[in-house]
Amino acid sequence: GNSVTQMEGPVTLSEEAFLTINCTYTATGYPSLFWYVQYPGEGLQLLLKATKADDKGSNKGFEATYRKETTSFHLEKGSVQVSDSAVYFCALSEMMTSGTYKYIFGTGTRLKVLA
Amino acid sequence: DTGVSQDPRHKITKRGQNVTFRCDPISEHNRLYWYRQTLGQGPEFLTYFQNEAQLEKSRLLSDRFSAERPKGSFSTLEIQRTEQGDSAMYLCASSYGTSGGWDEQFFGPGTRLTVL
Repeated sequence: GNSVTQMEGPVTLSEEAFLTINCTYTATGYPSLFWYVQYPGEGLQLLLKATKADDKGSNKGFEATYRKETTSFHLEKGSVQVSDSAVYFCALSEMMTSGTYKYIFGTGTRLKVLA
Repeated sequence: DTGVSQDPRHKITKRGQNVTFRCDPISEHNRLYWYRQTLGQGPEFLTYFQNEAQLEKSRLLSDRFSAERPKGSFSTLEIQRTEQGDSAMYLCASSYGTSGGWDEQFFGPGTRLTVL
């Protein structure tokens, strides 16, 4: 079945450091790929998405490129802030028999940014 | 826009007891999903409603689990005869869609269940 693998955390960085969180996937067909973020006490929020190969999703300074050849969707940010501290989930969409989609999530990577 | 709300936020129960959780989706959303997230794992899909119809059920949803969405508005998830393995965060999400295809799911804050 489809699956998502992401690097284990926690990742601890100093403010203004460069961030990379690795994500690779296994899927039949060509799923859409996502990064979700979960701040403490809040629900999952969509951070960015890419729907086809070579697409780049971007939002709030974060970027990720859909790489079909390496089945990857790594999350990057050039300069992290303390407010970026959260848990980040990589996910893909999988079609269900009803024609709608569910998410397949990775295990999440906790990011802690120190001032 | 009040977002997706879930109640209660935390529930502690003893093994063997029944529990029920409620999810109120974003008001105009016709699609509703339940996911379960255990410690150190990502959320896993449980079930899906289109309006009041339950169209998808995961193999994770054992006979002790039942979900409803009367009138296509709020939804409830009931777990009967709880077991310690049911301890998890139960997440609800909603979306608006008119045909097949992906639409963005908006997640609630979750209900954390602890079974003693």
